[in-house]
Order: sequence, then structure tokens, then C-alpha cells
Amino acid sequence: GDSVTQMEGPVTLSEEAFLTINCTYTATGYPSLFWYVQYPGEGLQLLLKATKADDKGSNKGFEATYRKETTSFHLEKGSVQVSDSAVYFCALTESSGSARQLTFGSGTQLTVLP
Amino acid sequence: SQTIHQWPATLVQPVGSPLSLECTVEGTSNPNLYWYRQAAGRGLQLLFYSVGIGQISSEVPQNLSASRPQDRQFILSSKKLLLSDSGFYLCACYTRDRVVRGYTFGSGTRLTVV
Repeated sequence: GDSVTQMEGPVTLSEEAFLTINCTYTATGYPSLFWYVQYPGEGLQLLLKATKADDKGSNKGFEATYRKETTSFHLEKGSVQVSDSAVYFCALTESSGSARQLTFGSGTQLTVLP
Repeated sequence: SQTIHQWPATLVQPVGSPLSLECTVEGTSNPNLYWYRQAAGRGLQLLFYSVGIGQISSEVPQNLSASRPQDRQFILSSKKLLLSDSGFYLCACYTRDRVVRGYTFGSGTRLTVV
């Protein structure tokens, strides 16, 4: 079955540091890939997505590129802020089938210190 | 855009008591609906999904059950809670509407079984 392997946390960075959270996946078809963010006490919000190989998703300074050859979708941000502190989830969904369920990684807790 | 209402936000229940969590969707019709659980220190696990009224698929054998009595209502239940049922429960929907296609998540219910 499909699976997502995500960089273990927690990750603690100083403000303005560079962020990378690794994500690799296993899928039988041609999945769409997502990064979701969960701020304290809240549900999940879509951060960015990519639907085909070599697509780059970007939002709020975060970027991730769909790499089919390495089955990866690593999240990066050049300069993190305290407000970026949250849990980040990598996820995929298969493009075929009616269920369209999301398969999530284990999540990475990010803390940014001022 | 679609909105998910999920309640209650927090719940403390004794072992052996019943459970009913409700999720309703606004702003779309005929969505796919999902229940996920996030146990402490772990990722999001898909519990149930539904592609239509009365249609429920279970991903993991559980002490839980789900029902979809109306198009935009999804209920998670248990007859007798176990300690291991503690966690953060998220309802989600996927809509195929061309304008608002995508996933939306509720704000979650934190369940503590004591």
C-alpha cells in the first residue's frame, strides 16, 4: 500500500534559519503530494501541493518539489519565523479511485525560537 | 468554500462509556468524508471513509464505528471506550466540485479516556 516517511522531530531552529523537512513516499500509481500544517489547538491547513512530477508547490515562503526519481517531496523555507512553529505533515493521495483518502506521514514538530 | 463543523472540541470520558462525535459539512454536496485519528506522538491514521450516504469503509479494525445518515453528516461512535481510544480525532471532506475541489479539515476533537 501507499506510505509516507517523514523526518523525525522535533526540530528546533532559531529565527531566520533555513528549514528542511524530508519526506519520501511509496505509491503504486501517480500520486498528488501535499504538505499540511497544524498550528497549536487547530485542525490541518493545506500549506502547498504538487500534482505531477517536477511540479513545485509554494506558499508563505515554503517550497517543495515533486521528485519522482527520488520519490521525495522535501519541504524548505529559507528563513523561518516564530509564527512558523507548528506540526507539519507530508501526505499523498492517489489520483485514481473514488476513495481519494490521504495517507499521512508521522508529522514533524517545528519550534522556532526568537 | 466548504466548511466542516466538528464537536465537541475536547472530551473526557471514562473507560467503558459510549462515544458519539459528529461532523457536518457546509458549502458542498456529495463529498467524500473521512475520520482520522492522531494518537500521542504519532501521525494521522485513517479510520473510516465514506463516498456516499450509508456507505462506510473501515481502514483499521477498531473499537469504533462510523455512520453517514445524511449527505453532509458523518458520525463516529463507540459502544464502550478503551484507554487506547484516546487521541485527537479529525473529520475531513474531499469535494469533487470543480470550483472548490480539494480537502478540508475540521478543527478536531481531543478525546481523553480515563
